[in-house]
Amino acid sequence: DTAVSQTPKYLVTQMGNDKSIKCEQNLGHDTMYWYKQDSKKFLKIMFSYNNKELIINETVPNRFSPKSPDKAHLNLHINSLELGDSAVYFCASSSQYSYNSPLHFGNGTRLTVT
Amino acid sequence: DAKTTQPTSMDCAEGRAANLPCNHSTISGNEYVYWYRQIHSQGPQYIIHGLKNNETNEMASLIITEDRKSSTLILPHATLRDTAVYYCIVRDNGGIISSGSARQLTFGSGTQLTVLP
Repeated sequence: DTAVSQTPKYLVTQMGNDKSIKCEQNLGHDTMYWYKQDSKKFLKIMFSYNNKELIINETVPNRFSPKSPDKAHLNLHINSLELGDSAVYFCASSSQYSYNSPLHFGNGTRLTVT
Repeated sequence: DAKTTQPTSMDCAEGRAANLPCNHSTISGNEYVYWYRQIHSQGPQYIIHGLKNNETNEMASLIITEDRKSSTLILPHATLRDTAVYYCIVRDNGGIISSGSARQLTFGSGTQLTVLP
């Protein structure tokens, strides 16, 4: 009954490849997010998305694109992977209709680009 | 969102209370104080949040000073499983229908709490 689940847990790939990370939440939330945690352990917001609005952190390269087939899913697609994309990526969700709704995070996808 | 300052690391003996401080001297009137923690190899986990009053739940207590410029997260009886990085975040909750940016959390570097046996 995992609330926010990400797949795969580990992803090893070569430079230049295109890959996707999937995220699903079963909490009925309407807003989802992607965060990146680099080797120094800093967590940085990449995107927040609901059916009305996509907010993109201006530092995120356009090789990264979120794709949402429905409210329960927000997948992260990455084109032309680079060495610097190696990091742990976390998906999260919350409810914009619950005034104090905290964010619920998945357990991350560790991406290694070789 | 206001910036927060936390000690880089702290130790606590198992079974004792862990008191984690956070300074947020530039907090504005409509900003809440949130605490999250990240246990190694897991995603961040929500602990507690508050605006002005002290708050308590099954995980922890949150003490916010009267001027709201600082707060303390208290784990009353720390266990080895409480070893984690603890993040103090201040954020404007916005209205019921608010933009996605208002829902984002900006994480600082946090406090590495190590609970010692």
